[in-house]
Amino acid sequence: EVQLVESGGGLVKPGGSLRLSCAASGFTFSDYNMNWVRQAPGKGLEWVSSISSSSSYIYYADSVKGRFTISRDNAKKSLYLQMNSLRAEDTAVYYCAPFISGNYGDYWGQGTLVTVSS
Amino acid sequence: EIVMTQSPATLSVSPGERATLSCRASQSISSNLAWYQQKPGQAPRLLIYGASTRATGIPARFSGSGSGTEFTLTISSLQSEDFAVYYCQQYNIWPPYTFGQGTKLEIK
Repeated sequence: EVQLVESGGGLVKPGGSLRLSCAASGFTFSDYNMNWVRQAPGKGLEWVSSISSSSSYIYYADSVKGRFTISRDNAKKSLYLQMNSLRAEDTAVYYCAPFISGNYGDYWGQGTLVTVSS
Repeated sequence: EIVMTQSPATLSVSPGERATLSCRASQSISSNLAWYQQKPGQAPRLLIYGASTRATGIPARFSGSGSGTEFTLTISSLQSEDFAVYYCQQYNIWPPYTFGQGTKLEIK
């Protein structure tokens, strides 16, 4: 059974930093691209970042480019998102999502809430 | 960037009736479209991929159709557990992957 457990969310002041983690199990983590998708309170889904299986290809949404860094550790079956220079508009639930069957989210974690507020 | 537009924003339907949700892409995305269901406090759940293929475990009352720029999700006979928010997502041209803004399906 595929399991994804996000952690690291919390309350942070504007301009601060936070590192999210996603622990994966139930599939061959090193074989698949991984993604972060976020959802602001009461809003829709927004793709944030993707990383290829070997970390060779990394992509970011324009809204986070230059501030967020995605990474992975295949030995630890873990995905990370380093978030710097956080803004109020980064407040959201952040989901970890492998795209296993195709370029869509067939599995999702429960999400971790990031709140950026003074 | 491909913009996905869903309509209507809110759809009120009685249990047992049919619901039809629409999703339009700003340019052709072939059949590279997924539909998700999301209930309050839960992660999204994949319903449909490839515009018309049901994901594992999804009931047959859910069906998807369309290609190019116009897509439809149909729920043939609404059950109480189907009232939720539905999102479409294109994966034809990325990055970025883009989602529609969602359609809230509520009980009439």
